[in-house]
Amino acid sequence: GAVVSQHPSWVICKSGTSVKIECRSLDFQATTMFWYRQFPKQSLMLMATSNEGSKATYEQGVEKDKFLINHASLTLSTLTVTSAHPEDSSFYICSAGGLSLEQFFGPGTRLTVL
Amino acid sequence: GENVEQHPSTLSVQEGDSAVIKCTYSDSASNYFPWYKQELGKGPQLIIDIRSNVGEKKDQRIAVTLNKTAKHFSLHITETQPEDSAVYFCAASRNSGYALNFGKGTSLLVTP
Repeated sequence: GAVVSQHPSWVICKSGTSVKIECRSLDFQATTMFWYRQFPKQSLMLMATSNEGSKATYEQGVEKDKFLINHASLTLSTLTVTSAHPEDSSFYICSAGGLSLEQFFGPGTRLTVL
Repeated sequence: GENVEQHPSTLSVQEGDSAVIKCTYSDSASNYFPWYKQELGKGPQLIIDIRSNVGEKKDQRIAVTLNKTAKHFSLHITETQPEDSAVYFCAASRNSGYALNFGKGTSLLVTP
């Protein structure tokens, strides 16, 4: 399957700071990228959908001013958690999809806000 | 919107036995049904998928069946091995560019 990378794999930050997470599709052009968050022992919760060059579409209840998503190219999307607080601590996972139906997931980023 | 239900939430089998996980979905427009395996601390890995014009698909020890009329699909793992232990998620979506709607996951434990 296709390869999707995320960076960093884990990050610890202080409350009030901003954190940027990168998602890259390494061997295909991702027309759409998705961002999910996952709490321990729970399923993946979709946060937003982004298409290259367009504004992201956020799911209900997800603050777009807090979770900034940029999809600048067909291989890169970024999620910035602004003014992070302890309740933002979670496992953030991106997935990338091309013209086919398959979606491939990154390895995830563990965010811990102190 | 789409609602995907998955059962059981936990499943324990002995090595060599078969494991079956079942999912139902609500949106009749869904036409793509992937299954993901997630190991602790890692992202989900696509293990098999099926599209609505196919009733069954097999890949070595893994098979998926789809009943569009009843809106349910199942994952079958035969000759289970300890390394099959993980959380398995089913999902459903419409077309490319649409987000996946996930089930709540099944924690599979294969004991030697």
